[in-house]
Amino acid sequence: ETGVTQSPTHLIKTRGQQVTLRCSSQSGHNTVSWYQQALGQGPQFIFQYYREEENGRGNFPPRFSGLQFPNYSSELNVNALELDDSALYLCASSLTGGEEKLFFGSGTQLSVL
Amino acid sequence: GESVGLHLPTLSVQEGDNSIINCAYSNSASDYFIWYKQESGKGPQFIIDIRSNMDKRQGQRVTVLLNKTVKHLSLQIAATQPGDSAVYFCAENKNQAGTALIFGKGTTLSVSS
Repeated sequence: ETGVTQSPTHLIKTRGQQVTLRCSSQSGHNTVSWYQQALGQGPQFIFQYYREEENGRGNFPPRFSGLQFPNYSSELNVNALELDDSALYLCASSLTGGEEKLFFGSGTQLSVL
Repeated sequence: GESVGLHLPTLSVQEGDNSIINCAYSNSASDYFIWYKQESGKGPQFIIDIRSNMDKRQGQRVTVLLNKTVKHLSLQIAATQPGDSAVYFCAENKNQAGTALIFGKGTTLSVSS
């Protein structure tokens, strides 16, 4: 186990709603990255937070936003949900912003109906 | 393209055989590569990593080979066991500040006993 915990494990929403996913990073890690994994695909980078600031962003629209808290836990918020947002959302923590090795949680499975 | 690709989506082997999973990457500026194993319902689990100043790195039952000339990465698993059945992803770091790992689509390894 990596020590990265995510909640909830499963979530069902309807199109147009908003969702908040949560992540607690591994002890001692100050950087959190979020990934979206569609069925049968590799994880796609959404964004990274380092010391409470966004430290890089992938090709996702602004309705995907995040926060990192002083204890390094993090939230991913998605507004105006679309059917294509249905996916496994993975949180990963790393020791620092420059550390490439990521430790993943088990993810939140989001279904948008 | 931007993402790391894999040669074969599936690989089936017998227990005890050696497995080789291949991966081609596109960015010659990438300086760090990593292999993850993902079992059903779980997040990606770190297997082994390698930097671009190395050609080979060995772990417990696993070896990663890097050929920068042809931008090719491979994962070798010795004496494959049924517990090795999973989806395997290679990922690269594009050597840009604030970016995280870029994943390929994955290879599903099935081990029969």
